[in-house]
Amino acid sequence: ETGVTQSPTHLIKTRGQQVTLRCSSQSGHNTVSWYQQALGQGPQFIFQYYREEENGRGNFPPRFSGLQFPNYSSELNVNALELDDSALYLCASSFGGTSVLDEQFFGPGTRLTVL
Amino acid sequence: RKEVEQDPGPFNVPEGATVAFNCTYSNSASQSFFWYRQDCRKEPKLLMSVYSSGNEDGRFTAQLNRASQYISLLIRDSKLSDSATYLCVVRGFKTIFGAGTRLFVKA
Repeated sequence: ETGVTQSPTHLIKTRGQQVTLRCSSQSGHNTVSWYQQALGQGPQFIFQYYREEENGRGNFPPRFSGLQFPNYSSELNVNALELDDSALYLCASSFGGTSVLDEQFFGPGTRLTVL
Repeated sequence: RKEVEQDPGPFNVPEGATVAFNCTYSNSASQSFFWYRQDCRKEPKLLMSVYSSGNEDGRFTAQLNRASQYISLLIRDSKLSDSATYLCVVRGFKTIFGAGTRLFVKA
């Protein structure tokens, strides 16, 4: 086990609703990245937080937003849910900030279904 | 063209076979490269980092060719437990995963 936890495990929402997903990083890690993985695809980078500030973002609209807290845990918020938002949402923690060499440890993911 | 492209799968091989996966990337400024393994409905787990000099970990060998912008993974003496999806990852300003290649190893 990586020590990265995510909640909830599964979630069902309807179009237009809002959702908040949570991630607790591995002890000692100060960086959290969020990914969206649609069925049959690789994870797509949403954004990364380092010491409570966003320091990188993928091609996702502004209705995807996040937070990182002083204990380095993190939230992913998605507003105005669309059917295409149905996916596995993964968070990954690391200790490296902007370093591209650090290993990322993934949590088990939250499976979101939008009806 | 996708930023990271992997061999389409699935690969079906018998136990003991050698299998190779390739992955190409489009951004020449990419800085680091990795192979991850993902089991069905599980999270990705780091298999190995990839260096220009090549690196080996037991039955697994990874290579990076910066000039041609591709990375490879070779698995020797395949085991049933190697059945999984293998994801290549390219990191620079962003972290980009390939779509993955599924491997089935059969007895």
